[in-house]
Amino acid sequence: DSGVTQTPKHLITATGQRVTLRCSPRSGDLSVYWYQQSLDQGLQFLIHYYNGEERAKGNILERFSAQQFPDLHSELNLSSLELGDSALYFCASRGAGANYGYTFGSGTRLTVV
Amino acid sequence: EDQVTQSPEALRLQEGESSSLNCSYTVSGLRGLFWYRQDPGKGPEFLFTLYSAGEEKEKERLKATLTKKESFLHITAPKPEDSATYLCAVQANYGQNFVFGPGTRLSVLP
Repeated sequence: DSGVTQTPKHLITATGQRVTLRCSPRSGDLSVYWYQQSLDQGLQFLIHYYNGEERAKGNILERFSAQQFPDLHSELNLSSLELGDSALYFCASRGAGANYGYTFGSGTRLTVV
Repeated sequence: EDQVTQSPEALRLQEGESSSLNCSYTVSGLRGLFWYRQDPGKGPEFLFTLYSAGEEKEKERLKATLTKKESFLHITAPKPEDSATYLCAVQANYGQNFVFGPGTRLSVLP
């Protein structure tokens, strides 16, 4: 157990629908990062939050949004889903010390049918 | 734009057959280079951080090295349980997020 909790582990939904993925960072970590991993794209950075504030955006589609709450958990909202959104979505957290890089959760596997 | 490439894409080794994985990077000022191991369907697991050229880190059968343009992950006398995808990532001085390479898929046969 890495200490980063992601729910749900699996999600199957239809095109056009909206889903919410949840992440709880390791205790004490203020930063949360979201990444998408598909077979042909590798790990792609989506968005970074630090202590409730958005810090950086990567290749995140306008149909996707995220937020980090006062208790530091984060949610990634995906709407108007398309078949191509099927992927593994990972959340990672990071503490103040840079030595250990990110700590990843076990991911949410999203399948859009 | 920061870029990371890894080679080979896939590598099959016999148990005990040592080899190296390569990570080449282009970044405007390197803050850190990170190696991760990822098993199928699981999240990447942190292995090493390297900060400056010439630095080396070791853990069991793995040794990571860093130059100004690339990093190597040396695997000595691998075992089947070392089979996984090995990911390399860089963090630039100006940014917080990591840029990941596509990974090397390692298979160690008994």
